[in-house]
Amino acid sequence: SQTIHQWPATLVQPVGSPLSLECTVEGTSNPNLYWYRQAAGRGLQLLFYSVGIGQISSEVPQNLSASRPQDRQFILSSKKLLLSDSGFYLCAWSVRALNTGELFFGEGSRLTVL
Amino acid sequence: DQQVKQNSPSLSVQEGRISILNCDYTNSMFDYFLWYKKYPAEGPTFLISISSIKDKNEDGRFTVFLNKSAKHLSLHIVPSQPGDSAVYFCAASASAGNNRKLIWGLGTSLAVNP
Repeated sequence: SQTIHQWPATLVQPVGSPLSLECTVEGTSNPNLYWYRQAAGRGLQLLFYSVGIGQISSEVPQNLSASRPQDRQFILSSKKLLLSDSGFYLCAWSVRALNTGELFFGEGSRLTVL
Repeated sequence: DQQVKQNSPSLSVQEGRISILNCDYTNSMFDYFLWYKKYPAEGPTFLISISSIKDKNEDGRFTVFLNKSAKHLSLHIVPSQPGDSAVYFCAASASAGNNRKLIWGLGTSLAVNP
């Protein structure tokens, strides 16, 4: 069966510090991968998606970047965090050939920037 | 421009009664609709979906109805249980090659009272 894990689960970082959130998927190959953010009291905002190794699409201009060094690994990074980067970050994957758009989410990472 | 709208941010129902969560969309190109359930500090989990060629899909206590002419869908939960208390997200997608992107509503927080 397929599983998705992301870590760390909770992170408290000072403004200006770097960030690295990691996500891995097991039990599937060639998935589409996604990073979402849920800010307090708001819906899900798509930040990045990837259809293959090294292929990253950014949905919104921001302080963050994403990388996909391996087929089932997706990393969210920042060189210098801002207060507005606080939120609940979710990694997700979907079957590339699946024609429904159904996503499978990780457990989430709570980032607090102070 | 919010293409998928969940106009009720919250809903409260009694245990055993029906919960009806509503969702409206504006893009007539959407051909697949999904409902996700999210508990605090967890990733969303897929609940039920419906293709635009159908007007109803049922799975146990959960039924989704689609009214294409009104660009409206609803999720019915019968009977509602306290464990159903969560945030429910409506999402829609349109075909776009091998990467269907989901467009999300802002969610409705459901509270089922014992």
